[in-house]
Amino acid sequence: EVQLVESGGGLVKPGGSLRLSCVGSGFTFSEAWMAWVRQAPGKGPEWLGRFRGRSAGGTIDYAAAVKGRFIISRDDSRNRVYLQMNSLEIEDTAVYYCCNPTGNFFDYWGQGTLVTVSS
Amino acid sequence: QSALTQPRSVSGSPGQSVTISCTGTSSDVGSYEYVSWYQQYPGEVPKLIIYDVNKWPSGVPDRFSGSKSGNTASLTISGLQAEDEADYYCCSFAGTNFWLFGGGTKLTVL
Repeated sequence: EVQLVESGGGLVKPGGSLRLSCVGSGFTFSEAWMAWVRQAPGKGPEWLGRFRGRSAGGTIDYAAAVKGRFIISRDDSRNRVYLQMNSLEIEDTAVYYCCNPTGNFFDYWGQGTLVTVSS
Repeated sequence: QSALTQPRSVSGSPGQSVTISCTGTSSDVGSYEYVSWYQQYPGEVPKLIIYDVNKWPSGVPDRFSGSKSGNTASLTISGLQAEDEADYYCCSFAGTNFWLFGGGTKLTVL
């Protein structure tokens, strides 16, 4: 069974940084494509970026809205994917999910971690 | 790119059918057969209910069906049940390794 567990959320001041972590199990992590999606309160989800699996080149794509501020990385030895968020703004307040998309859709989601940006 | 456009709310009575639209552009919905739909209850994680426009993941009842015409995708729920009351989101591949979601539709079962 695929399981994804995010951690690292919390309260941060505008301009601050935070690193989220997601550990995956129940699948071959190094070959998995991993994505980050967020959902602001009362809004639809927003795709942030994704990391291709090793055999697909292991490259990273970002949404234009966060490119340059957010960095996705992974540690296959620990079955983890990370989301480093810098220069955080109030508008970045959301629940952040990691996902394991097995196609052009998002079939596996973690439970999410809440990030609140507030002074 | 802007989010895909969905009606804020729809409603229907038990047993009826409802359709939720999802309007994009020729750069996303209109160009790819990669539209997916998600059901979300309050406080819960989105759940995939339709992928690749009209395919069902395992365990999703065929009361849920998807279609697409031009730049608009649709989710139809037939035989409406009380448990279908939830928020529904569409999503489309938008090229250049990019995905767009809709703003969501709240379904009320009367």
